[in-house]
Order: sequence, then structure tokens, then C-alpha cells
Amino acid sequence: AQSVTQLDSHVSVSEGTPVLLRCNYSSSYSPSLFWYVQHPNKGLQLLLKYTSAATLVKGINGFEAEFKKSETSFHLTKPSAHMSDAAEYFCVVSDNWRGADGLTFGKGTHLIIQP
Amino acid sequence: EADIYQTPRYLVIGTGKKITLECSQTMGHDKMYWYQQDPGMELHLIHYSYGVNSTEKGDLSSESTVSRIRTEHFPLTLESARPSHTSQYLCASRDRVAAFFGQGTRLTVV
Repeated sequence: AQSVTQLDSHVSVSEGTPVLLRCNYSSSYSPSLFWYVQHPNKGLQLLLKYTSAATLVKGINGFEAEFKKSETSFHLTKPSAHMSDAAEYFCVVSDNWRGADGLTFGKGTHLIIQP
Repeated sequence: EADIYQTPRYLVIGTGKKITLECSQTMGHDKMYWYQQDPGMELHLIHYSYGVNSTEKGDLSSESTVSRIRTEHFPLTLESARPSHTSQYLCASRDRVAAFFGQGTRLTVV
């Protein structure tokens, strides 16, 4: 079984300051991990993915995430927030490619950017 | 940009009407999914497909049905819409690396 916990339902930062969105997971196997972003009234866009290669993963729009197996974490960071980063962010784990229920979503973190 | 498309983007419809939400992808993916996204933004899997002629129910019980006659097409149908069906519906397909999502259909049943 696998699960995802996004530790904060809302995060508020000032424009130009660092962003940290926290995600912990549990998985029976070596997981693949993803972060998706959803802007208002839009679908989900893939930000970045970890699939057992380098533990520090760089994504689009300046975001990156570090896979820490010992801490079962996959936190998303960005050095300097931009107003356009305001959106909902989902952490996703997958450890079963043969099953169509292989994707498990976190409940989402709403990122607010203060001017 | 992912090549997966949903139509319509927005739909307001009366109770009892039959509706079909369209989803098409041009990536040749076998696995496709429908998710329902509730007001709290959490996603729930309602249907999935391994490929042509394969359809399965997901984790969340839904009165909708799906079909998969062609690889690229995975429509969702509600035979008789009710206000409780008001939600956002997201279609996705996946390869071995990641899942790709459409823009979603926001359905309102009045």
C-alpha cells in the first residue's frame, strides 16, 4: 500500500522569498514521486518527477525537489517565489505500474504569494 | 504541453439530462483515467482503462459510465444528471514515466 501526506494545506510566502511545500510518503516498493501544479480552472501540469535516478530533481519554473529515502520525504522548493506561482500543488506517489490505481495523490497544498 | 484534450471545459445542464464528457489523447497511451475533483481540491479516481475494450471502476463510486472503443478516446457518460454530480472531472493518460492531464470539465447540474 502507498500513501501521501502533504503536511500543509496552505502556505503563504512573500514574493521573492523561498518556497517550501512538504510531502511525506509511504510505499512498499521503490516509488516514483511527482509534483503537479494546478492553476485555477486548469488541469494538472507536471512540475517534476523522481524515478530512481538523481535524488535532487529539477523541474520547470525554477522548482526542485529532493528525494530523501531515510526521511520518506519529497519536499518541493523554490529559491524565490513569483506571483505566478500561486496555485494548488499536489504530491503524487506511484509504485505499481501494472495497476491502474498506481497513482496516489496528496490532498494538495494551496500556495499563496503575498505582494 | 501534453496532448490530451477535454470538451467541454464548462457545462451547465438541467437535472435528468444525459451528458457525455469527451477526452482524447494523441500520445498513444494505453492507460487512461477519469478523476473527480471535489470542492476541497482532493482528486478521486472514478474510472480507468488499461486499453481498448478495457474499463474498470475506481476508488470512488460513481453513477457515470465510460467506454474505450479507440485508444485515443475515453468518454464519460452520465445517463441522468443530478445536482450531486456537480464537480470538476479530470481526464488523464500515462506512460511509464508520468501521467498527463487534460484541462478538466467543470460540470454544474441545476
